[in-house]
This record gives sequence, C-alpha cells and structure tokens, in this order.
Amino acid sequence: DIQMTQSPSSLSASVGDRVTITCRASQSISTYLNWYQQKPGKAPKLLIYAASSLQSGVPSRFSGSGSGTDFTLTISSLQPEDFATYYCQQSYGTSWTFGQGTKVEIK
Amino acid sequence: QVTLKESGPALVKPTQTLTLTCTFSGFSLSTSGMRVSWIRQPPGKALEWLARIDWDDDKFSSTSLKTRLTISKDTSKNQVVLTLTNMDPADTATYYCARTSIAAAPEAFDFWGQGTMVTVSS
Repeated sequence: DIQMTQSPSSLSASVGDRVTITCRASQSISTYLNWYQQKPGKAPKLLIYAASSLQSGVPSRFSGSGSGTDFTLTISSLQPEDFATYYCQQSYGTSWTFGQGTKVEIK
Repeated sequence: QVTLKESGPALVKPTQTLTLTCTFSGFSLSTSGMRVSWIRQPPGKALEWLARIDWDDDKFSSTSLKTRLTISKDTSKNQVVLTLTNMDPADTATYYCARTSIAAAPEAFDFWGQGTMVTVSS
C-alpha cells in the first residue's frame, strides 16, 4: 500500500497566520491527492481534490499544490473556524490511504 | 440533496461479525461514476479507508483487511453493506460511509455520513 506521511503532526498558530501542511507519498501518485478538514465529533469535510482543485463552497484561503510524491495544503490567513485536524488522502490505484493527520491548534 | 447515514450495532463481541449498512439519498449507485466507500476512525486516531464499491459493482478493499471484509450494494434500496468478520477490540472505531462522484470531485469523498461508533468488547 502507498504510505502517506504528513508533517508536522501538530502546529500552533495565531489567527491571521499563513499555515502550510505537507504530505509525502511513498511512491508517485500523480495528482491523486485530496485534503480534508475534521473537527471534533464531526465527519471530515473535503477541501481540495486532485491536489489543487478547490471543492465547491470552500473558502479561497485554502489552496493545494504538488504532484508526484510531495504535496502542500496552505491556509493563507488562518481564521478561528480553521482550528481542526487536516488529513491528506491518496486515491491512486485501487487501495486508498490517508495520512496520519495534522492538528492545527490555537497559539 | 445528497445524504448518507450509517446504521448497525453499537456493541459487538470479539470474534463476532459486524454488519453495517449505509443508506443514502440524492444519488444512485447505478449511475456511471458513482462510488461508495467505508472509512473508519479509532478514538483519537487517524482515518483508515476500508473498502469501496462502484456503480458497475467493482469492489476494492484495504490490503490489510481484505480477508475479513465484504462490501455489497442493493441499488433498489440505495444501500451499501459492509461486513467485517472476526471482530477484535482493535476494530473499535467510528465507521463512516462516503460518496465519490467522478463527475463532481473525482476520486475524492465529497459527501460523508455522520458516522456510527462501534465498540468491540466482551
């Protein structure tokens, strides 16, 4: 199976900060990479699909980039509602996997 | 309006078989490009993709759980059923079903159920 490694595992940031989360795949996955946001007790929410496409209704402060093995989720100006855990997920081939998550906390 | 909802037992004993049902509305799993997956999340841990069934009845499952998992669909009832045999306390988790639509957000989970918590304990 393709392993997905996110970094950092957690971070502390302030409202208004620019935040970057990275995700690395154990082999090339082209742009078959998605990002989700999860808040406590809730189902995940799709933010970015196909590495850089913004899901409908998601604020434009979220953006994604990358291809091959290295990917990035950027929040341009962190808002109070953005404090959550973020997961990357690869959908290359027939066995899909998630990263271990990055928790974004208030500084 | 797309909705999905998981149902099944909240408690199962070790070695038993878990059967979960995902009942959905707002789309048809007979429509080309539609897929439904099961994903789980142990308390305080990361998400884990388990299995997927496609509109054409293709089925795929996690390598690590392949021998224990079965996924099926009943298109007329708008349901997807997951069975997981030989349950272990390590299978304690919230189980989600989620939709993938090739036309909407290819190869991504764009709609999720609320999840159902399953505890494995004697």
